[in-house]
Amino acid sequence: EAGVTQSPTHLIKTRGQQVTLRCSPISGHTSVYWYQQALGLGLQFLLWYDEGEERNRGNFPPRFSGRQFPNYSSELNVNALELEDSALYLCASSSQVRSEQYFGPGTRLTVT
Amino acid sequence: KNQVEQSPQSLIILEGKNCTLQCNYTVSPFSNLRWYKQDTGRGPVSLTIMTFSENTKSNGRYTATLDADTKQSSLHITASQLSDSASYICVVTTGAGSYQLTFGKGTKLSVIP
Repeated sequence: EAGVTQSPTHLIKTRGQQVTLRCSPISGHTSVYWYQQALGLGLQFLLWYDEGEERNRGNFPPRFSGRQFPNYSSELNVNALELEDSALYLCASSSQVRSEQYFGPGTRLTVT
Repeated sequence: KNQVEQSPQSLIILEGKNCTLQCNYTVSPFSNLRWYKQDTGRGPVSLTIMTFSENTKSNGRYTATLDADTKQSSLHITASQLSDSASYICVVTTGAGSYQLTFGKGTKLSVIP
């Protein structure tokens, strides 16, 4: 069974640009979670999607947004990139709310 | 404010030795506590999960304990191996409707020959 996949693996952008990160959950999983892990910091919860709806979002500005598609894959969009957005962005999926979350390998975003 | 504090920040041990990592939390209401292992540049992988009523859980050489009264957990690694070198993250889930996870910053463990 394939795990959670994310693309791209690495990304370099300049300040002010926009970026889209992609995540495919484990087959059968309907919930997708996005996290940001900046250097030296713990994972910070960004967004939670379930059955195509945004269920919760963390304490991040509106320029962080996303969506979940009918096939349960998800995108994370970040507009007007800032230097402090440089981080590892992790996606996780679960089969239902409150069940085990399985993480993908992450996308390393560097903003210069 | 929900918080998870881990100690030590980093740890270096010799291969074959045991070690214990600590996690203190102030998350409320409490639902469960997980320990994850994260290799550098990779996503975390779950080691154990404990609910309020469980005070110990083992996964091979990894044993986690939970004291819900003092809001403390520990992860004990027995007979460490070089492959245990990673960050170990304590994660506490709230039992509230919003269902959020609060992550510790992790303990970076280095196992040396």
